[in-house]
Amino acid sequence: DQQVKQNSPSLSVQEGRISILNCDYTNSMFDYFLWYKKYPAEGPTFLISISSIKDKNEDGRFTVFLNKSAKHLSLHIVPSQPGDSAVYFCAATPPGSGTYKYIFGTGTRLKVLA
Amino acid sequence: ETGVTQSPTHLIKTRGQQVTLRCSSQSGHNTVSWYQQALGQGPQFIFQYYREEENGRGNFPPRFSGLQFPNYSSELNVNALELDDSALYLCASSFRANRRHPYGYTFGSGTRLTVV
Repeated sequence: DQQVKQNSPSLSVQEGRISILNCDYTNSMFDYFLWYKKYPAEGPTFLISISSIKDKNEDGRFTVFLNKSAKHLSLHIVPSQPGDSAVYFCAATPPGSGTYKYIFGTGTRLKVLA
Repeated sequence: ETGVTQSPTHLIKTRGQQVTLRCSSQSGHNTVSWYQQALGQGPQFIFQYYREEENGRGNFPPRFSGLQFPNYSSELNVNALELDDSALYLCASSFRANRRHPYGYTFGSGTRLTVV
């Protein structure tokens, strides 16, 4: 049972335009949501997070939006740059366990075209 | 400040064998987690260690076991390897503090395990 889903395996965007990566989840009790970026042959790197009590968090070119009623979050990258080309994973933390266990989606490969 | 380092980077083992993967946590981090990432999938939580004790476990059988040492380095051991164990194994460290501010793990680059 996939609790965190990224339904688009890939996305191509022109440099300078907006990239929107989407993620859906099934458990309304998730505490935090995070986005990670992964380049080939490297481990995932933390990008941005959002608490379940907020609906928006912004950090430079990256903004995450959380729609709790739809159980949906999205990552906006504006403007997109060729260096943003990577696989993006969304992740969620289950409540209560205190273990920082993350449940990851399957990832979306973003390609930013110069 | 060093990051998370994992060894080896690649490994080929035969079905039924045992394997040990190693991880050195980022300086100052006291919690280590292990994840398995199969091809085309997101990382799946195996377990986490805090103060040398297992602190949570995902849906993995007992033949997956681990250790955390006083210097916060860690090992992942897998016994009786199966073909489906072929994956990228990621180690991630963090500092266990206020869990209401999870700024994310620091991941290593992983060990690519191939079971033949």
